[in-house]
Amino acid sequence: GQSLEQPSEVTAVEGAIVQINCTYQTSGFYGLSWYQQHDGGAPTFLSYNALDGLEETGRFSSFLSRSDSYGYLLLQELQMKDSASYFCAVINAGNNRKLIWGLGTSLGVNP
Amino acid sequence: GAVVSQHPSWVICKSGTSVKIECRSLDFQATTMFWYRQFPKQSLMLMATSNEGSKATYEQGVEKDKFLINHASLTLSTLTVTSAHPEDSSFYICSAREVAGGTKNIQYFGAGTRLSVL
Repeated sequence: GQSLEQPSEVTAVEGAIVQINCTYQTSGFYGLSWYQQHDGGAPTFLSYNALDGLEETGRFSSFLSRSDSYGYLLLQELQMKDSASYFCAVINAGNNRKLIWGLGTSLGVNP
Repeated sequence: GAVVSQHPSWVICKSGTSVKIECRSLDFQATTMFWYRQFPKQSLMLMATSNEGSKATYEQGVEKDKFLINHASLTLSTLTVTSAHPEDSSFYICSAREVAGGTKNIQYFGAGTRLSVL
């Protein structure tokens, strides 16, 4: 089967750094994506890794280790507006390159 | 940036009626669009993948006669929930991927449609 695991909840304070881990077990791996979703809103793309290593985009970075079937999203200089759900999603290498989604991590940022 | 418009955002209907939801890519062409369903505090569940000009591919357990998908152009896909019942009440979200999507396979999402069936 295909599955992704990530923590259900994480809490941090403003200005802190948070790492959200994701382990996956899928067939036909193409890449790992991260999406952010605020309550009642649409998911928005944050980051993508196809190869091992770190990708940095502003305050957000994402890491992938294909040999370990593991990745993480790193959020730096946390702000209140970062309170949201974060999903890791594997891009399936099969037809249509569909996303296989994790269950999401609810991040709460406190003052 | 790439914008996906989804309408309506809210719909309330009586049991037994059909509801159509539209998903449009406004500033890019989308060969492939995806339809998801999401329950409160849960992940997105892929219902079907829609390719322009061909039949949709449904995920296991999704009734294709219940959820009709049409992708008639590179900018429009529609989902029709036929003979809706209260158990179909949910948040439905579409996404679109650019024709020239590059290597990141980014999906751009609509704002979602909250369906309530009475």
